[in-house]
Amino acid sequence: EVQLVESGGGLVHPGGSLRLSCAASGFTFSDYWMHWVRQAPGKGLVWVSRIISDGSTTNYADSVKGRVTISRDNAKNTLYLQMDSLRAEDTAVYYCARDPGDGYNLWGQGTLVTVSS
Amino acid sequence: SYELTQPSSLSVSPGQTASITCSGFKLGDKYACWYQQKPGQSPVLVIYQDKKRPSGIPERFSGSNSGNTATLTISGTQAMDEADYYCQAWDGSSAHVVFGGGTKLTVL
Repeated sequence: EVQLVESGGGLVHPGGSLRLSCAASGFTFSDYWMHWVRQAPGKGLVWVSRIISDGSTTNYADSVKGRVTISRDNAKNTLYLQMDSLRAEDTAVYYCARDPGDGYNLWGQGTLVTVSS
Repeated sequence: SYELTQPSSLSVSPGQTASITCSGFKLGDKYACWYQQKPGQSPVLVIYQDKKRPSGIPERFSGSNSGNTATLTISGTQAMDEADYYCQAWDGSSAHVVFGGGTKLTVL
């Protein structure tokens, strides 16, 4: 089955760190650019970060730049998002999404990150 | 930074046509895509490259993009189309993906 499965979310204190994972299956993971998108409770979709197929190029939203690192392990078919110096405003469901170059045609189910003391 | 603007809500009667707009500076020079998101679910791509439909998306969904506005049109709207809809584009100058704020479509 073609799917993306996120994990690693949870409750973290402000200033803390968390690493999200996105396991891909059913397709050739290394052929695709991958993205993280987040959605705060009751709010809209917000792009977080992108990594190209071989991992050599990454991009970040201004709101997370310097605090977040996207990476991938094509041998393990897994995408990662390392999040440091977390703030309350980072509270959201985080989705990974597959990008063939013209829109996200596959999304995971999302993992909830809650930043609270 | 590049911005995309959508109406926050739209209401339509069953069987009528719903048109959801997405505005951005010279958006017509970029490719736009659209996502549908129902409560508690992940988004689903319904239009890509302005007007193409992924397999499995009903023909009543169509798209256009010209000038500063992209439009998602749902013809013969059904109750099952009630959802939030988001437009998206790639801003090459900043190397950022941009989403619109989303439009809540109510079918009543």
